[in-house]
Amino acid sequence: RKEVEQDPGPFNVPEGATVAFNCTYSNSASQSFFWYRQDCRKEPKLLMSVYSSGNEDGRFTAQLNRASQYISLLIRDSKLSDSATYLCVVRNSGYSTLTFGKGTMLLVSP
Amino acid sequence: NAGVTQTPKFRVLKTGQSMTLLCAQDMNHEYMYWYRQDPGMGLRLIHYSVGEGTTAKGEVPDGYNVSRLKKQNFLLGLESAAPSQTSVYFCASTRDRSETQYFGPGTRLLVL
Repeated sequence: RKEVEQDPGPFNVPEGATVAFNCTYSNSASQSFFWYRQDCRKEPKLLMSVYSSGNEDGRFTAQLNRASQYISLLIRDSKLSDSATYLCVVRNSGYSTLTFGKGTMLLVSP
Repeated sequence: NAGVTQTPKFRVLKTGQSMTLLCAQDMNHEYMYWYRQDPGMGLRLIHYSVGEGTTAKGEVPDGYNVSRLKKQNFLLGLESAAPSQTSVYFCASTRDRSETQYFGPGTRLLVL
């Protein structure tokens, strides 16, 4: 079983749509969780951390379910500029190494 | 601050040649990392360092060596390049292991 699994997509949605990404992780000892965004041919950048209580940043909402080892990202009112690959990332116990999912590609069309 | 920079941006090697990729950060970060990213594989950790003078193996260390002689620099070496090492290489750094990692712009390497 892969350590961090994501639906590869691509997700094709029109502007204004709501889209949800899901992610599962296999290591129950994982300590922290993140969503990164990666534009084509660019480096990954932190989008948001994911907290157990759930957290929101504008149009973006992240949820964590430790019991199910499941992470989600919800994007409301999609913009053309949201087109990118979204990476689910898990911090491993011990030293600060991260495990990345393969990413889910989002394409927002006019 | 320039953040994390990588040199070179792009390189073409022939099989068997050697090269060194340089990562530099000006944020006084303790932790530095080298990843490779391949289509369909996601980002995979090659080597990392938890401080000046230290290095450790990641998920895919074979064929690579690293050095962290100065806190701000993390070097990735390929002693004898192979076509399987064709990839995009990203360097990252973080101040503390509880914080997020900041990535450089990447180095695209093609091994013929």
